[in-house]
Amino acid sequence: KQEVTQIPAALSVPEGENLVLNCSFTDSAIYNLQWFRQDPGKGLTSLLLIQSSQREQTSGRLNASLDKSSGRSTLYIAASQPGDSATYLCAVSPSGAGSYQLTFGKGTKLSVIP
Amino acid sequence: NAGVMQNPRHLVRRRGQEARLRCSPMKGHSHVYWYRQLPEEGLKFMVYLQKENIIDESGMPKERFSAEFPKEGPSILRIQQVVRGDSAAYFCASSPRLLGGKDSPLHFGNGTRLTVT
Repeated sequence: KQEVTQIPAALSVPEGENLVLNCSFTDSAIYNLQWFRQDPGKGLTSLLLIQSSQREQTSGRLNASLDKSSGRSTLYIAASQPGDSATYLCAVSPSGAGSYQLTFGKGTKLSVIP
Repeated sequence: NAGVMQNPRHLVRRRGQEARLRCSPMKGHSHVYWYRQLPEEGLKFMVYLQKENIIDESGMPKERFSAEFPKEGPSILRIQQVVRGDSAAYFCASSPRLLGGKDSPLHFGNGTRLTVT
């Protein structure tokens, strides 16, 4: 059974700092990995999707890496801003049938202090 | 292009009542997925539907829960005889094709927060 762990559970940083969020998963048989952002009372916004054959994806100030063999992914946020404050979720999609059954971590709650 | 629309945003029910949660997928999306987020837990898959078909309901409790996606209208998640443990955020997501393609990420709605008193 796939398990996804995100560390730390919460993180507070001053504005402008670069930061890294970590995600680990127990079963390396994945189709892809997604990072989402969740704002309080809101839905999830997909930030980056990495296919299992890829090593990283970039979008603006965000860079996500994937090391499938070790079961790890990181989300790097450059030059953090107060608007980046949210909960960041990592989710993996299993390979084979049922690729829609994402397994989510519990998230890292990020606070960027002005 | 409106996103995934869920209503109501908040729903309060007393124990034993029925809860109906609605989800309209993004325009052009024919695949709908329901997830549940219990307090302090990660989101968990419940059910996957296409128009008029339940494809996979392996994540849905066997009793009291049902889902449909009719030919016309939104997808409905129905919870009968709610109990306190059903209190959670219920999220609907949609995709234009089966999730897994690199251009087919899930698009989530804002969720319905169900509180059972």
